Amino acid sequence: DAKTTQPNSMESNEEEPVHLPCNHSTISGTDYIHWYRQLPSQGPEYVIHGLTSNVNNRMASLAIAEDRKSSTLILHRATLRDAAVYYCILRGHNNAGNMLTFGGGTRLMVKP
Amino acid sequence: EPEVTQTPSHQVTQMGQEVILRCVPISNHLYFYWYRQILGQKVEFLVSFYNNEISEKSEIFDDQFSVERPDGSNFTLKIRSTKLEDSAMYFCASNTGGRNQPQHFGDGTRLSIL
Repeated sequence: DAKTTQPNSMESNEEEPVHLPCNHSTISGTDYIHWYRQLPSQGPEYVIHGLTSNVNNRMASLAIAEDRKSSTLILHRATLRDAAVYYCILRGHNNAGNMLTFGGGTRLMVKP
Repeated sequence: EPEVTQTPSHQVTQMGQEVILRCVPISNHLYFYWYRQILGQKVEFLVSFYNNEISEKSEIFDDQFSVERPDGSNFTLKIRSTKLEDSAMYFCASNTGGRNQPQHFGDGTRLSIL
């Protein structure tokens, strides 16, 4: 599977927007970009996914670069509850069994 | 909103003993998964299960591990003879299938091997 690179940690102030970057320079044309997050003491939680176009849902927005070699998860107004580890994961055609491969993710800290 | 539920939340077991971790996936889901997370480390895939058989497994999922869907609602992970290094959080997940269907995770079982 193509690899993703994320910063180890980021800090944000409450009620400000947060942009979480992910690099995936070896992405293939059929790879979807998925984001999950893991709140403290909980299991991972699906956030959003996309292929080429930007995507919005109630939790976040996903901005995908035109060359698809990077993407950014956008939390429009961070709350204390958004403090979590955020994982950027590529899901490719070879994932016939649908397993998720988690990297180290980005630990987001939200300051009041 | 439907949830994946896991029991127990915490299991303490002596080394060498068998342990069974239980999960109730979301009812209309067809694919089931187990992952584990050793303290301070990444979430690691163990096994996926579809149509009453294993569809994928990782190198971690050796002969000491087995999975079962005994009754159409529960999905279990058994470790036959636990080792100290099996201490971890174990997460169950399920989805409807397809590489772009989100996986829904339970809150995990903390397994402590003494």
